Amino acid sequence: DTGVSQNPRHKITKRGQNVTFRCDPISEHNRLYWYRQTLGQGPEFLTYFQNEAQLEKSRLLSDRFSAERPKGSFSTLEIQRTEQGDSAMYLCASSLVGTGTGEQFFGPGTRLTVL
Amino acid sequence: EDQVTQSPEALRLQEGESSSLNCSYTVSGLRGLFWYRQDPGKGPEFLFTLYSAGEEKEKERLKATLTKKESFLHITAPKPEDSATYLCAVGGGYGGSQGNLIFGKGTKLSVKP
Repeated sequence: DTGVSQNPRHKITKRGQNVTFRCDPISEHNRLYWYRQTLGQGPEFLTYFQNEAQLEKSRLLSDRFSAERPKGSFSTLEIQRTEQGDSAMYLCASSLVGTGTGEQFFGPGTRLTVL
Repeated sequence: EDQVTQSPEALRLQEGESSSLNCSYTVSGLRGLFWYRQDPGKGPEFLFTLYSAGEEKEKERLKATLTKKESFLHITAPKPEDSATYLCAVGGGYGGSQGNLIFGKGTKLSVKP
């Protein structure tokens, strides 16, 4: 399967702990996006990369959140000092812009529960 | 501010009962209107992209249409396996680049046999 993969699929942590999620995009895609989705809501944009450059960050991305995409391949999203309000599904998507049609394809998500 | 509103929030249909889902949007410059399907506990699955008013696309029992202010997802003779949440999104971003997607809250469709 050559789709977007995310690990772990589920993460339970205690308030105040740090967590890190990984996303592996579709191999030829040059853009990678992070979204957050809570129950009953659509996904909300957090940030995106084109190759290794982080091009845009949402106001939702507080100082406790950091994302990286070293070498323009996989990406990690770290949340420091987690809060109960961080409990959500974290979705990663990738797309090919320039030569592709730009549609974003999503991974299965990482469900975070903060106790 | 760019905004996407979907209606109804939930829709219950009998198998074979055709209907439509609505997505209305306000955006400074449309960079694509996207439809996704999402099953519980999974990531959204891409269905369609529409770029200009009057455009239509079809896939099996689904047909998406676009006007200047809204999009419709028509479901013809639905089956129970069509049950899912259908999400609509518009392309956001700045300076003409297609960056983030702005999603509506979705329509939860249930199709009973």
